[in-house]
Amino acid sequence: QKEVEQDPGPLSVPEGAIVSLNCTYSNSAFQYFMWYRQYSRKGPELLMYTYSSGNKEDGRFTAQVDKSSKYISLFIRDSQPSDSATYLCAMSAWNAGNMLTFGGGTRLMVKP
Amino acid sequence: GAVVSQHPSRVICKSGTSVKIECRSLDFQATTMFWYRQFPKQSLMLMATSNEGSKATYEQGVEKDKFLINHASLTLSTLTVTSAHPEDSSFYICSAPRPSGSYEQYFGPGTRLTVT
Repeated sequence: QKEVEQDPGPLSVPEGAIVSLNCTYSNSAFQYFMWYRQYSRKGPELLMYTYSSGNKEDGRFTAQVDKSSKYISLFIRDSQPSDSATYLCAMSAWNAGNMLTFGGGTRLMVKP
Repeated sequence: GAVVSQHPSRVICKSGTSVKIECRSLDFQATTMFWYRQFPKQSLMLMATSNEGSKATYEQGVEKDKFLINHASLTLSTLTVTSAHPEDSSFYICSAPRPSGSYEQYFGPGTRLTVT
């Protein structure tokens, strides 16, 4: 079993839809949770960063962390075709020295 | 703007030759940088941790003699793929931690290596 599980998709939604992306993990030491967006043939760019449990909102993006269930989510409201990309969740433990463990990535396609 | 750069962005080389990829942090210092490889439609796999002033730390299964890492300065790490083979063809990405002390990392734009 991988430390971080993420549905690879592809997930196809119409423009304007609410998108829900999720990751589950097994390592209870993870405390730092990140979502990265990666366009084809580009490096990942950080979208959201949260520490421990709770919600964080930034514009159309909301990140949720439920440490009791070892489950994190990224919601995208009013999705746009420009949101079409691969979304990677990443996590780090407090004693991991900045080392990230990535999920496999979910490919999202938002159709006009 | 980009805070981590990589050079070259694309490189094609012949089997048996060596290729050097540079990773630079722009406007900040990075005592640690990370090197990943990514195959098509797959996630990033950590290859090694590059440490300024000391040897790199390699992940299990990564040949340190094949993937030479040199953290030459606080803003530069290089990955040299020695005696490249077609199976080394991949997307190589580096990252550097944000200086604020958080666990965020800045990623470079990646280098696409094709070995013919």
